[in-house]
Amino acid sequence: EPEVTQTPSHQVTQMGQEVILRCVPISNHLYFYWYRQILGQKVEFLVSFYNNEISEKSEIFDDQFSVERPDGSNFTLKIRSTKLEDSAMYFCASSEEASGNSYNEQFFGPGTRLTVL
Amino acid sequence: EDKVVQSPLSLVVHEGDTVTLNCSYEVTNFRSLLWYKQEKKAPTFLFMLTSSGIEKKSGRLSSILDKKELSSILNITATQTGDSAIYLCAVDSILITQGGSEKLVFGKGTKLTVNP
Repeated sequence: EPEVTQTPSHQVTQMGQEVILRCVPISNHLYFYWYRQILGQKVEFLVSFYNNEISEKSEIFDDQFSVERPDGSNFTLKIRSTKLEDSAMYFCASSEEASGNSYNEQFFGPGTRLTVL
Repeated sequence: EDKVVQSPLSLVVHEGDTVTLNCSYEVTNFRSLLWYKQEKKAPTFLFMLTSSGIEKKSGRLSSILDKKELSSILNITATQTGDSAIYLCAVDSILITQGGSEKLVFGKGTKLTVNP
């Protein structure tokens, strides 16, 4: 069964360093998302991406964050200068093309746990 | 600001008990409400509800949406230890002007612990 994959599963970095979190969405999916979950808190929407551009981003997704689909299969989240408060589990998700009013399930990857020291 | 509130935040029961988890929401452009189960890592999809009053059922789990009250409940009957997880409620908000991209707004979840 196709699934969303993410690498690495755990990333430890020093404050101020740049990190790139990688995701491989399900191959025929066209919508891509990043969410994060700080330990003990709720899952929060960061950004959605469609047709090679950002569709929507939350207040969390400031200038330190960027997303890219560099090669048609990977979908990456870059944090330019990490802060302690960026420590969280980052989930990638993907879904098929929306059609009319039917919901297209977002399939979540296993997550990357980012620890900023 | 879009908001999803779940209650209780945690619940401890014994195997065989029946539990009811609650979710209420305030969002713009509501399209559907979803329930997820989160065990160790990624949330896994349980139900999607769009129409008020229609129960969705899967085995011992069932859920219903009340659009008038802007709420939903998730019932689990005859609980088992394998039901122990965090149950997440999320509301799907579609961005019609942006290619149909959807945003999920999550609640904090209910942590269910089922003891043998």
